[in-house]
Amino acid sequence: GPKVLQIPSHQIIDMGQMVTLNCDPVSNHLYFYWYKQILGQQMEFLVNFYNGKVMEKSKLFKDQFSVERPDGSYFTLKIQPTALEDSAVYFCASSPGLPEQYFGPGTRLTVL
Amino acid sequence: GDSVTQTEGLVTLTEGLPVMLNCTYQTIYSNPFLFWYVQHLNESPRLLLKSFTDNKRTEHQGFHATLHKSSSSFHLQKSSAQLSDSALYYCALSKGTNAYKVIFGKGTHLHVLP
Repeated sequence: GPKVLQIPSHQIIDMGQMVTLNCDPVSNHLYFYWYKQILGQQMEFLVNFYNGKVMEKSKLFKDQFSVERPDGSYFTLKIQPTALEDSAVYFCASSPGLPEQYFGPGTRLTVL
Repeated sequence: GDSVTQTEGLVTLTEGLPVMLNCTYQTIYSNPFLFWYVQHLNESPRLLLKSFTDNKRTEHQGFHATLHKSSSSFHLQKSSAQLSDSALYYCALSKGTNAYKVIFGKGTHLHVLP
């Protein structure tokens, strides 16, 4: 089936540094999402991106977070600066326009 | 606001017994999409079932669920659990064909014992 790729699979950084998580969505999909899952907890919606714009975001999407997809390349989540509570697995998802989503394998971010 | 409630955090049962995972929701939208996603250990969530039709049973891979708008429920069922069904199951809600946001419940861990 359709595959969403995420790079890297793991990232370890020091608190205060910047990190960029990369997502390669399914090629004909139009809607892109980021979710955050802290170990052992539920998955939580961060942001939805469509047509070059953030359409909706949650309270978890702090001012330090930003998303973009320049020129149809990777859909990225940037955190600058990072905080300890940002440690989690971040899942990217893409959608062809229906509510159905396809998830990537996740990036495990560890902030030290 | 919109919300999804999964009352059981953990369900443990023996292989061969029936499975029922509860899901209720709240939304102001009259035609919501309801979903079940399954997440196996160290894997990403995968769509298991979806429905937006009231009182219609939807089935996939031995699992089934029926959206009941009258009770705002979308319970997941299977007649006979298998060891490979052990996973985290999320019920999720979208307000309609607008794909902007999907709200996930807290998830239910299903642990199937031999």
